[in-house]
Amino acid sequence: AQKITQTQPGMFVQEKEAVTLDCTYDTSDPSYGLFWYKQPSSGEMIFLIYQGSYDQQNATEGRYSLNFQKARKSANLVISASQLGDSAMYFCAMRETPGNTGNQFYFGTGTSLTVIP
Amino acid sequence: DVKVTQSSRYLVKRTGEKVFLECVQDMDHENMFWYRQDPGLGLRLIYFSYDVKMKEKGDIPEGYSVSREKKERFSLILESASTNQTSMYLCASSPDAGPFGETQYFGPGTRLLVL
Repeated sequence: AQKITQTQPGMFVQEKEAVTLDCTYDTSDPSYGLFWYKQPSSGEMIFLIYQGSYDQQNATEGRYSLNFQKARKSANLVISASQLGDSAMYFCAMRETPGNTGNQFYFGTGTSLTVIP
Repeated sequence: DVKVTQSSRYLVKRTGEKVFLECVQDMDHENMFWYRQDPGLGLRLIYFSYDVKMKEKGDIPEGYSVSREKKERFSLILESASTNQTSMYLCASSPDAGPFGETQYFGPGTRLLVL
């Protein structure tokens, strides 16, 4: 089974509008972390936001927020007030309980976001 | 500032050649990773290492080997390059200790073309 599922291969959003990128995950560990990364066309992976499984509140970082719904195992990224520079690939990732394999990250297949002027 | 560097941004090789991709991190991280990235498939883990001379297979190790002789350097080796190994290769590192929310730090990637 896929650990991380991103069902939207491509998304379009009008500049200044908000957009939600979907991510669902699969784990039986009680302790895990969820991450979102942005990858512009230049190729580097940029860390955006982190949510811990025990965090009570949704994580926020500037225009990025993570809509964490634990019971549904979803961790959607919300980008508010989209900008042209937000056009990029976005990856959701998960890290499970630390241990021998606890430093492994599992990545989704990504969502390509295009911001339209 | 964590820095992860990769030896080449772009590489063109011939089928059958032995290819070395080098990755160096300057933050004394215990863990290092090699991924390949293909459209529609996301990032797939090839190998990772949690200590010098230690390595673990990831999801797609076939056709690859790795070497970690020093803590800061993790090399990916394509023993006999094939056209289906044309891809983007990303190296990453992360610390062992520290908060659970510590991210992996990525290098700029190497785009490999095998002809």
